[in-house]
Amino acid sequence: DIQMTQSPSSLSASVGDRVTVTCRASQTISSYLNWYQQKPGKAPKLLIYAASSLQSGVPSRFSGSGSGTDFTLTISSLQPEDFATYYCQQSYATPRTFGQGTKVEVK
Amino acid sequence: QVQLVQSGAEVKKPGASVKVSCKASGYTFTSDGINWVRQAPGQGLEWMGWISAYTGNTNYAQKLQGRVTMTTDTSTSTAYMELRSLRSDDTAVYYCARGGSLGWFDTWGQGTLVTVSS
Repeated sequence: DIQMTQSPSSLSASVGDRVTVTCRASQTISSYLNWYQQKPGKAPKLLIYAASSLQSGVPSRFSGSGSGTDFTLTISSLQPEDFATYYCQQSYATPRTFGQGTKVEVK
Repeated sequence: QVQLVQSGAEVKKPGASVKVSCKASGYTFTSDGINWVRQAPGQGLEWMGWISAYTGNTNYAQKLQGRVTMTTDTSTSTAYMELRSLRSDDTAVYYCARGGSLGWFDTWGQGTLVTVSS
C-alpha cells in the first residue's frame, strides 16, 4: 500500500496568515494527489484534485502543487472558515490511502 | 445539485451485520462509481472500497475482504455497503462518496454512525 505522510500534524495560525501543509507519498504517484477539508461533525469536502486543479466553488486562496512524491497545499490568506482538518489522498493505486490529517487551529 | 443521502445511525452487537444505504440524485447514477470511506472516532479516513454503478464491478480494501459487500440498485440510484461479523473496532462514521477511475471523491454523503457494542 502507498503510505501518505502529512506534516505538520497540527499548526496554529491567525486570520490572514499564509499556511502550508505538506504531504509525502511512500512511492511516486505522479500527480494523482487530492486534498480535502473536514470540519467537526461534517463530511470531508474536496478542495484540490490532480495535485493542482481547484474544485469548482472552492475559493482561489486554496492552491496545490507538487508531483512525484512531494506535494503542498497552500492557503494564501487564512480565513475564519478555514480552521479545519486537511487530508491528502492518493489516487494512483488502490487501496486509496489518506494522510493522517493536519489540524489548522486558531493561534 | 449532486447529492448523496445516507441512511440513519445504527447500533449493532458484536458479530452482527449492518447495511448502510446511499441514495444519489442530481446526476446520472451509472456514469460514476461510489466509494465507501470510514472514520473511527477521533481518527483519520480509511478507504473501504469502490463499486462501479455501471458494471457492478467492485474493488475492496484487502483488510475487509470477506466481510464487506458493496452493491447498487440502478432502479433507485442507491448504493449499499454491508459489513458482517462486526467488531468493536468497526465503530465509525461510514461515508459514501462519488468517484470514478481518476480516484478523487467530489461529493460525499452526510455520514452514518455505526456503533458496535454489547
